[in-house]
Amino acid sequence: DGGITQSPKYLFRKEGQNVTLSCEQNLNHDAMYWYRQDPGQGLRLIYYSQIVNDFQKGDIAEGYSVSREKKESFPLTVTSAQKNPTAFYLCASSMPPGRYTEAFFGQGTRLTVV
Amino acid sequence: DAKTTQPTSMDCAEGRAANLPCNHSTISGNEYVYWYRQIHSQGPQYIIHGLKNNETNEMASLIITEDRKSSTLILPHATLRDTAVYYCIVRVVYVNNDMRFGAGTRLTVKP
Repeated sequence: DGGITQSPKYLFRKEGQNVTLSCEQNLNHDAMYWYRQDPGQGLRLIYYSQIVNDFQKGDIAEGYSVSREKKESFPLTVTSAQKNPTAFYLCASSMPPGRYTEAFFGQGTRLTVV
Repeated sequence: DAKTTQPTSMDCAEGRAANLPCNHSTISGNEYVYWYRQIHSQGPQYIIHGLKNNETNEMASLIITEDRKSSTLILPHATLRDTAVYYCIVRVVYVNNDMRFGAGTRLTVKP
């Protein structure tokens, strides 16, 4: 089945360690997105990529890094520079908006830094 | 993308229609209105989208005002499983640019 997969679902890390969250899609979508969600809050855009080998910062990119070496994959690294990394992270993919297009989301990774 | 504003929360009785408003007063002529919902601790799910005309699918109806500055998502017969956060966003047609969400409306369907 076509879809977007995030792994792992739960992730625990010690403070000061970098951690990479995986996002893979087999929908042949050009664009991919990373969001952060804190309890009771909406989705905030971290990074997005419109095409392979290209990405742009969103509203809260500090302390995060991404790469887009393959169309199917858009991993997010939470670095030690991120002051408060504990959050729910969501990945999405999309084709350009049109009559028959929509964005698809993964089921999220809940990161806890202790 | 144009910004949207939505009420923070709404309640609806089970079996009744839920009408969720969204204001997008700065929308451009080439921007779609999209609606998504997020059930607790899951990824958002697509509901419906439209450009100018009203739209209906198996989940909901979307009513867009003639001036396109606001829209209403209608869940015709709300069930307890429709309790979720509903997001309204606008996206430029045919351009895969940023996709920004606001805080959404938390809909609670009550028995």
